[in-house]
Amino acid sequence: QKEVEQDPGPLSVPEGAIVSLNCTYSNSAFQYFMWYRQYSRKGPELLMYTYSSGNKEDGRFTAQVDKSSKYISLFIRDSQPSDSATYLCAMSARGSSNTGKLIFGQGTTLQVKP
Amino acid sequence: DSGVTQTPKHLITATGQRVTLRCSPRSGDLSVYWYQQSLDQGLQFLIQYYNGEERAKGNILERFSAQQFPDLHSELNLSSLELGDSALYFCASSVGLAGGETQYFGPGTRLLVL
Repeated sequence: QKEVEQDPGPLSVPEGAIVSLNCTYSNSAFQYFMWYRQYSRKGPELLMYTYSSGNKEDGRFTAQVDKSSKYISLFIRDSQPSDSATYLCAMSARGSSNTGKLIFGQGTTLQVKP
Repeated sequence: DSGVTQTPKHLITATGQRVTLRCSPRSGDLSVYWYQQSLDQGLQFLIQYYNGEERAKGNILERFSAQQFPDLHSELNLSSLELGDSALYFCASSVGLAGGETQYFGPGTRLLVL
């Protein structure tokens, strides 16, 4: 079983829809939760960053972390065709090993149709 | 532009060969991470260096090795290449070495082994 599970999709929605992307994880040591966006043939770019549990909002994007359920979400409001990309959840632990390695989900491919 | 540079962008080689991938981190970043992205495995952590020293290893094959030089650039060496090594290889950098550090990804090197 993978440490981080993410439905690869693809997910296709009409322009203006609310998109919900999710990941589950098994390692309770994860404290830092990120969402990266990756356009085709490009490097991942950081979209949202959350420490521990709670919500974070940035424009049309909202990230939620529920540590009790080991579940994180990314919501995109008023989705645009330019949001079409692969969204990767990523996590890292705070521990004695003192490493910042990220564990990624498989990535969800999103297509927003005009 | 993340500020992380990787060369070459594309690499085509034959099985059994050896290649070197190069990464220059963002100015001021001391940590360099290498990740491999393939269709079946997703984005996987390979190895981390901090200020010239190896800090963490993931599922990196013994045929692969890396180093970080005094000027902080890093090289990933892949030897005895197999067809299954074909993938996107990303380098990322961060200021520090611990969990929670924001990692900035380069554009990647696309390796094709024929």
